[in-house]
Amino acid sequence: GQQLNQSPQSMFIQEGEDVSMNCTSSSIFNTWLWYKQDPGEGPVLLIALYKAGELTSNGRLTAQFGITRKDSFLNISASIPSDVGIYFCAGWTRTGANSKLTFGKGITLSVRP
Amino acid sequence: NAGVMQNPRHLVRRRGQEARLRCSPMKGHSHVYWYRQLPEEGLKFMVYLQKENIIDESGMPKERFSAEFPKEGPSILRIQQVVRGDSAAYFCASSPSTGNSNQPQHFGDGTRLSIL
Repeated sequence: GQQLNQSPQSMFIQEGEDVSMNCTSSSIFNTWLWYKQDPGEGPVLLIALYKAGELTSNGRLTAQFGITRKDSFLNISASIPSDVGIYFCAGWTRTGANSKLTFGKGITLSVRP
Repeated sequence: NAGVMQNPRHLVRRRGQEARLRCSPMKGHSHVYWYRQLPEEGLKFMVYLQKENIIDESGMPKERFSAEFPKEGPSILRIQQVVRGDSAAYFCASSPSTGNSNQPQHFGDGTRLSIL
C-alpha cells in the first residue's frame, strides 16, 4: 500500500531556531497536507498543497509540494514553545469516487525555551 | 463552535461489549471519514461515507466493525464484541465535497476507546 515516510521520529530544537521536516513517498499524490496534533486533540490542518512545485506560507510556516509529487517539506521559522506537537504529512489520492488520506507516522517536535 | 464534533471523548468498555462512536461533521459538510490512531503512529484510514452511502470501506476490518451516516443525525462507528486490540483513538474528519478540487479534511478531537 501507499506509505509516507517521515524521519526522524523526534526533533529537539531551541526556541527561536528554524526547523525543516521532510516527507517522502514511493507513490505520487495529488495533494499534500500538513497537520499538527497536540496531545489529546485531533489533527489541525496547517497547510494544503495542490500543485507540484507549489510553495505556500502560513505565518511562520512554509511548505512545498515536490516537483515529482512524491515529497514535501515543512519549514517552521523562529520556533516558539507552542510549536511543540506532532507534525504529520498526509497525501491525498483519489480513485474514481473514492478519496482517502494516507498519513505519515509523524514527527514529534520539542522546543526548549 | 462549528467544528467536527465527536462523542464521547473517552469510552471504556469490557471485552465482548459494543462500542458506539459518534461524529457530527462540520456544518455544510456531507463527507465523513473515520481514522484509527495507535500510540506513536499516524492515522490509518478506515472508511469514507457520504449521506446514506458507504463510498470506501477498504480500511475497515471485515468483522465486528461497521459504519453508517444516516440521512439525519451523526455518523456512527460501531464495534461489536470489542477486544483489547481495539483500544485506540478514533478520529472522524469531514469535508464539504471531493468534487474536482480536493477539499482538505477537518478533524474532530477523537474518541479514546479503552478496552478492559
